Amino acid sequence: GQQVMQIPQYQHVQEGEDFTTYCNSSTTLSNIQWYKQRPGGHPVFLIQLVKSGEVKKQKRLTFQFGEAKKNSSLHITATQTTDVGTYFCAGRPGNQFYFGTGTSLTVIP
Amino acid sequence: EAQVTQNPRYLITVTGKKLTVTCSQNMNHEYMSWYRQDPGLGLRQIYYSMNVEATDKGDVPEGYKVSRKEKRNFPLILESPSPNQTSLYFCASSPTADRATDTQYFGPGTRLTVL
Repeated sequence: GQQVMQIPQYQHVQEGEDFTTYCNSSTTLSNIQWYKQRPGGHPVFLIQLVKSGEVKKQKRLTFQFGEAKKNSSLHITATQTTDVGTYFCAGRPGNQFYFGTGTSLTVIP
Repeated sequence: EAQVTQNPRYLITVTGKKLTVTCSQNMNHEYMSWYRQDPGLGLRQIYYSMNVEATDKGDVPEGYKVSRKEKRNFPLILESPSPNQTSLYFCASSPTADRATDTQYFGPGTRLTVL
């Protein structure tokens, strides 16, 4: 069946270091979304990528969608303590959503 | 305020006692969905609804029921809860069922414990 894998599961970084999480799907996706969940909170939509090879930026965050539309990455430059949380990718090959297992980011001041 | 609400936020119950978790959105969204979140497993879709009277199974539907009689409400029903349904549950909605505009808005979550 459909799977969306995400690595790493956990990442601890010093404040100011960069961070990247990777998302891989077993099938081609129509789009990929990224969400952030703060500790004790609910997932909050960050961005959606639709086109093959698409790259989008939001301030220090850079999102990429692979050429084959089966993988994606989120890169954060110069992490801050406000970046703490779990980052999820979500793909939708059909009408159903498949979330990655998430990457929990800890930022050490 | 545009939002997705869930009730209750916390629930402790016993095996076999039927329960309903309500979900309501005030944004006139077509697509609604239920997820469970478990450590190490991320969010798994239980059921989703493309519109009123249209519901479909997600990845983990066993032991759950849903209904969509009105556009704004999408309750999750556990007819006979078991301990393996102890989890954090999220309801979510999207403006349309169209994949180009399917940003999901999540409710605050319901933490369910089944003893």
